[in-house]
Amino acid sequence: AQTVTQSQPEMSVQEAETVTLSCTYDTSENNYYLFWYKQPPSRQMILVIRQEAYKQQNATENRFSVNFQKAAKSFSLKISDSQLGDTAMYFCAFMNLLIQGAQKLVFGQGTRLTINP
Amino acid sequence: GAGVSQTPSNKVTEKGKYVELRCDPISGHTALYWYRQSLGQGPEFLIYFQGTGAADDSGLPNDRFFAVRPEGSVSTLKIQRTERGDSAVYLCASSLIALGSGANVLTFGAGSRLTVL
Repeated sequence: AQTVTQSQPEMSVQEAETVTLSCTYDTSENNYYLFWYKQPPSRQMILVIRQEAYKQQNATENRFSVNFQKAAKSFSLKISDSQLGDTAMYFCAFMNLLIQGAQKLVFGQGTRLTINP
Repeated sequence: GAGVSQTPSNKVTEKGKYVELRCDPISGHTALYWYRQSLGQGPEFLIYFQGTGAADDSGLPNDRFFAVRPEGSVSTLKIQRTERGDSAVYLCASSLIALGSGANVLTFGAGSRLTVL
């Protein structure tokens, strides 16, 4: 079974700083996707960024980028020029690509990120 | 609809009571997922529907939990004889899905917070 570990329960940085959230995972599969989701107090999970395991190039979405190290099974999220609206819980998630099966997400425990003014 | 809608937003019930939680997915999304998020944890998979059928219910914790999607759109999660340990946020998500096409992005609702007294 796959597991996802986020070792930082909480993080806090000043506005405009850069912050990196850590995530490691365990799987014996070779084809999979990794995701970062943001969950503000409204509870709705919002997709931040995703990475296909077969792609070596790290995914980037505006201020958000990842450092994907497949051999180390590491998938960290970097937020540049952090903004007050980035304050939220952040979850790392793994999805195994099963051709005939459900595309289930396995989530980590989350990191509570606070951006201070 | 424009997004995934879940009702009720909050539900307080007494131990032993029966509860129904409703999910209205994005129009046209054939896949529907239920997740449970306990306090301070990441979401955990419960069940997945492809159309009207439950393609994978391996995450349902016991036989008190049941879900239906009779017309392939709206889904209802049903919990019998509720226990205090059932208290959690129940998240629903939907996606377009085409088997073999890679990961499909899940769109989440805001969840239903269930409190069992």
